[in-house]
Amino acid sequence: DAGITQSPRHKVTETGTPVTLRCHQTENHRYMYWYRQDPGHGLRLIHYSYGVKDTDKGEVSDGYSVSRSKTEDFLLTLESATSSQTSVYFCAISQELGLAGVETQYFGPGTRLLVL
Amino acid sequence: GNSVTQMEGPVTLSEEAFLTINCTYTATGYPSLFWYVQYPGEGLQLLLKATKADDKGSNKGFEATYRKETTSFHLEKGSVQVSDSAVYFCALKGSGGSYIPTFGRGTSLIVHP
Repeated sequence: DAGITQSPRHKVTETGTPVTLRCHQTENHRYMYWYRQDPGHGLRLIHYSYGVKDTDKGEVSDGYSVSRSKTEDFLLTLESATSSQTSVYFCAISQELGLAGVETQYFGPGTRLLVL
Repeated sequence: GNSVTQMEGPVTLSEEAFLTINCTYTATGYPSLFWYVQYPGEGLQLLLKATKADDKGSNKGFEATYRKETTSFHLEKGSVQVSDSAVYFCALKGSGGSYIPTFGRGTSLIVHP
């Protein structure tokens, strides 16, 4: 199994509070991703990173920010949580295959976030 | 842009039944194709993949063949078990230097004893 951990695994918070989710990998993979999973929507990409301090937006990035100060850690921050951000959040990593881009993704166990 | 379409679920089967989950895609060139599985309460994990036309990916009794002529990558298993109950995601990675996979919405499979 790929070495990916997410913390916390469960969190309940109140509307308007900031929340930070952490993804940690031990694989030294260059690419890291944050997704949210909601019924009827499948997986939706929030942000991704292609190296330390190199990040870019996905399709549902509004209300989220990310940071990657070390290869192994990718943080997702909800600046001011809203009820619409109640979801299950997954981190994924992928190894670069040179000019071929990336291939298989490895996913963390997920974080269940409830915003009241 | 790239897209993946999966049959909607849930798919409900009895144990030992034959399984097919349809997946079709839209992409230019020659994408790589994947099936991921998500068991309850867990993250996604790779089930099988195929990287070029006519390749067959297989794992744990599941199979899928990369059909470029029909742009399909249907998942099959000859005899499902209760333990196969999960959500199955079809995905593609575009050809060339692509870093963002495209996922289907997932198909829930429920297998009854």
